[in-house]
Amino acid sequence: GAGVSQSPSNKVTEKGKDVELRCDPISGHTALYWYRQRLGQGLEFLIYFQGNSAPDKSGLPSDRFSAERTGESVSTLTIQRTQQEDSAVYLCASSLGPGAGANVLTFGAGSRLTVL
Amino acid sequence: TQLLEQSPQFLSIQEGENLTVYCNSSSVFSSLQWYRQEPGEGPVLLVTVVTGGEVKKLKRLTFQFGDARKDSSLHITAAQPGDTGLYLCAGLDTGRRALTFGSGTRLQVQP
Repeated sequence: GAGVSQSPSNKVTEKGKDVELRCDPISGHTALYWYRQRLGQGLEFLIYFQGNSAPDKSGLPSDRFSAERTGESVSTLTIQRTQQEDSAVYLCASSLGPGAGANVLTFGAGSRLTVL
Repeated sequence: TQLLEQSPQFLSIQEGENLTVYCNSSSVFSSLQWYRQEPGEGPVLLVTVVTGGEVKKLKRLTFQFGDARKDSSLHITAAQPGDTGLYLCAGLDTGRRALTFGSGTRLQVQP
């Protein structure tokens, strides 16, 4: 597609439930990133996928968080047993693979998660 | 984890004023980027600086990368209401493949 698409745009859930957030990157972008942004704050790195390489999961805050990516396309971020502190906007970004465009990130509009 | 500190956190100015936003770290970055984010949207890349001491101009915005590649500044001349938003710096170090973002500077330009 023309841009990075994320769904749902808004999600309200109850504490303890599982949620799945989806990201469709720009076609041809081999790198995909997930970041978390708490209200009024900067972006916190969660996970990075590059092609078929092992993902960099160093930013995942706990084992309740996981992410998958199918080839070089769609990614899902799953949060199990949600807690109120998980409330945030979850941003996905994609970029071209290694090379000149590697660090030119295009972000989606984000998925706003509210845990009651 | 390398940290990027931005200052000020909040800035409210009148249209036509000049301003400077700072991004500082104790660590060296191979490159540094500036993004602007508007409510309900993702950040949009403004510029990438790579060389220590580099200065880039984008219309009324001037970006500078420190000589030691540990800090950067964004200067806006004659600010306009359309400049309102959250400004984020982000650095890439050689040991990681993902950007580290600063905490952001929220700018409000009053007409």
